[in-house]
Amino acid sequence: GAVVSQHPSRVICKSGTSVKIECRSLDFQATTMFWYRQFPKQSLMLMATSNEGSKATYEQGVEKDKFLINHASLTLSTLTVTSAHPEDSSFYICSARVQGKGSDTEAFFGQGTRLTVV
Amino acid sequence: AQSVAQPEDQVNVAEGNPLTVKCTYSVSGNPYLFWYVQYPNRGLQFLLKYITGDNLVKGSYGFEAEFNKSQTSFHLKKPSALVSDSALYFCAVRDRGSGNTPLVFGKGTRLSVIA
Repeated sequence: GAVVSQHPSRVICKSGTSVKIECRSLDFQATTMFWYRQFPKQSLMLMATSNEGSKATYEQGVEKDKFLINHASLTLSTLTVTSAHPEDSSFYICSARVQGKGSDTEAFFGQGTRLTVV
Repeated sequence: AQSVAQPEDQVNVAEGNPLTVKCTYSVSGNPYLFWYVQYPNRGLQFLLKYITGDNLVKGSYGFEAEFNKSQTSFHLKKPSALVSDSALYFCAVRDRGSGNTPLVFGKGTRLSVIA
């Protein structure tokens, strides 16, 4: 299957700093990528839909100025957590589907990023 | 609105016994249904999906799932559980819309297979 690479896998940062998480589709192009947040022992919460060459679409309750999403190419989307606070500590996961495929195709997920804000 | 329910937070099964992880869904129309597995500190791995056709879908690692339209269920099953199957399992649904429609996940069920 297609591979989605997410980097870094684990990051610790100080409160008030910013952290960038990268999501790359390695062997396919993806006009759309999705960013999820997963709290301990809970499901994945969709944060935003990242669209190549245009603004991301954020889910209700997600601060777009805090979670900056950039999808500059067909293989790369980035999520930047700005002015991080301890409550932003979480597991962040990106996913993508092969460009041009219908909604019956499965999504491929990155390995996730464990963010700890101290 | 779409929703997925996984009624069990935890399922325990002895190695070699059959396992079932339950999932029910609520959508308007006919959905696409998926099962994913997540190992600790990892992303999700695709197991299987139901699109159309046979109600019994076979997937990776010996898993299968049965689509039941009347009961709006899509339970995950395996005839003989392995200790290595211990993980977090997510059922997901997607509307039959455009390719940009995101998945909606259930809360997950933790499977523990005991040797």
